[in-house]
Amino acid sequence: SAVISQKPSRDICQRGTSLTIQCQVDSQVTMMFWYRQQPGQSLTLIATANQGSEATYESGFVIDKFPISRPNLTFSTLTVSNMSPEDSSIYLCSVEGLAGAAGGNEQFFGPGTRLTVL
Amino acid sequence: DQQVKQNSPSLSVQEGRISILNCDYTNSMFDYFLWYKKYPAEGPTFLISISSIKDKNEDGRFTVFLNKSAKHLSLHIVPSQPGDSAVYFCAASESSGGSNYKLTFGKGTLLTVNP
Repeated sequence: SAVISQKPSRDICQRGTSLTIQCQVDSQVTMMFWYRQQPGQSLTLIATANQGSEATYESGFVIDKFPISRPNLTFSTLTVSNMSPEDSSIYLCSVEGLAGAAGGNEQFFGPGTRLTVL
Repeated sequence: DQQVKQNSPSLSVQEGRISILNCDYTNSMFDYFLWYKKYPAEGPTFLISISSIKDKNEDGRFTVFLNKSAKHLSLHIVPSQPGDSAVYFCAASESSGGSNYKLTFGKGTLLTVNP
C-alpha cells in the first residue's frame, strides 16, 4: 500500500477565509480522491482529482467551493473556499489500491486534516 | 437517503470473545463491500473486502459474511483483542457504470474491547 501524508493535520480558521490542504503520496498513482467526514457522519466523496484535467465532482460539491489541483501523479491539493462553520470536518485524501477479485477497488487513506471553522 | 447503514453506533465486548459488526445496504447495484478500521487522529485503514460472488471471506481473525438476499453483511473478529478497539466503517461500491472507484460509507461503529 502507498504511504500518504497530508498537511496540515489540523487547523482552526475564521469564517470567510480559505484553506488549502495538501496530499502527498510516496508512489505514482492514477486515481486520487478527496473525502469529507462531518461530525457524526460517514465519509463522503467530494471529488476525484484527475492529473492534467479538471477534477470530477460528486453531486452537491462544486469547483468554486472546493477547487482541486493535481499537478502530477503523486500530489494533489484541495482548497476549502469562503469557509463557514458548516465546513468544519475531517478532510481525507485517498488513492486507489489493487483491484479486488471482482474489480472492486480498495482505497488507501491519508491521516486526514481536521478543520474547525469559527 | 443513506445507502449504507450501520445501525449500532457502538459495541463493547470482552477480550477473547467474538465481535460482530453489522452493516445493511439498500442499493442492489452494490457488488463489492469493504471494511475499514479507524483509530483516532488516523485515516481509515483497509481491513477486508468481499465481492458479491462470494458469501464469505476470511483473513486471520477477521471474517466478512455477505447475505445478498437480505442486503446485509457482517464482520466477525475472533478472538477480539484490546488493540481492535477502533471505529469500523462498512463501505460499498458498484463495479459497473464507470464509477467503480466510488465508495459509499456507513457512519461507523465504535468497537471497544475490554481486557
